[in-house]
Amino acid sequence: AQSVTQLDSHVSVSEGTPVLLRCNYSSSYSPSLFWYVQHPNKGLQLLLKYTSAATLVKGINGFEAEFKKSETSFHLTKPSAHMSDAAEYFCVVRGPSGSNYQLIWGAGTKLIIKP
Amino acid sequence: KAGVTQTPRYLIKTRGQQVTLSCSPISGHRSVSWYQQTPGQGLQFLFEYFSETQRNKGNFPGRFSGRQFSNSRSEMNVSTLELGDSALYLCASSPAGQDSYNEQFFGPGTRLTVL
Repeated sequence: AQSVTQLDSHVSVSEGTPVLLRCNYSSSYSPSLFWYVQHPNKGLQLLLKYTSAATLVKGINGFEAEFKKSETSFHLTKPSAHMSDAAEYFCVVRGPSGSNYQLIWGAGTKLIIKP
Repeated sequence: KAGVTQTPRYLIKTRGQQVTLSCSPISGHRSVSWYQQTPGQGLQFLFEYFSETQRNKGNFPGRFSGRQFSNSRSEMNVSTLELGDSALYLCASSPAGQDSYNEQFFGPGTRLTVL
């Protein structure tokens, strides 16, 4: 069975410092992984996705994530945080459900940016 | 292209009542998924419809049901409302089903409050 764990419910960083949001997954086969972002009072938006091509995936707004099979991780990073990055971030793994597939969502990490 | 629209945006009901939520996907998208989002449980998958057929279902009681019309618009119904059904209900559309790598596009959600 597939599962995804976001290791931190809240992450607080100062503006201009690096961001690291951690995600571990469990999968019995080569997974597809996604990061979504939800800004306050706005809809969910795809940040980036990994689909077994390059292990370092670049997304929107300067975010990137690295797929590490040996560590079963897909951590999200950004070199320099901006106030507009304050939001909730979700790590998602695509897994099988019977003969079809289903997206399995992490619990989310709230990113707080201090001025 | 218009985004995913959900109506109504806000709804207040009392226990025991039933409610119907509506979702219009992006034009040309055939897959519609529904999610329940609460502070305690995070984002939980309800069901997915593709070409008028339910393809995937999450672990929700039978009080939660849905359908999809030939124009891909979808409705979700909750009968015999309970206090715990208070949540943000999100609809997401995609060109193909969840068994593809396609991004899901989310609507703004319907905020349901059960009193």
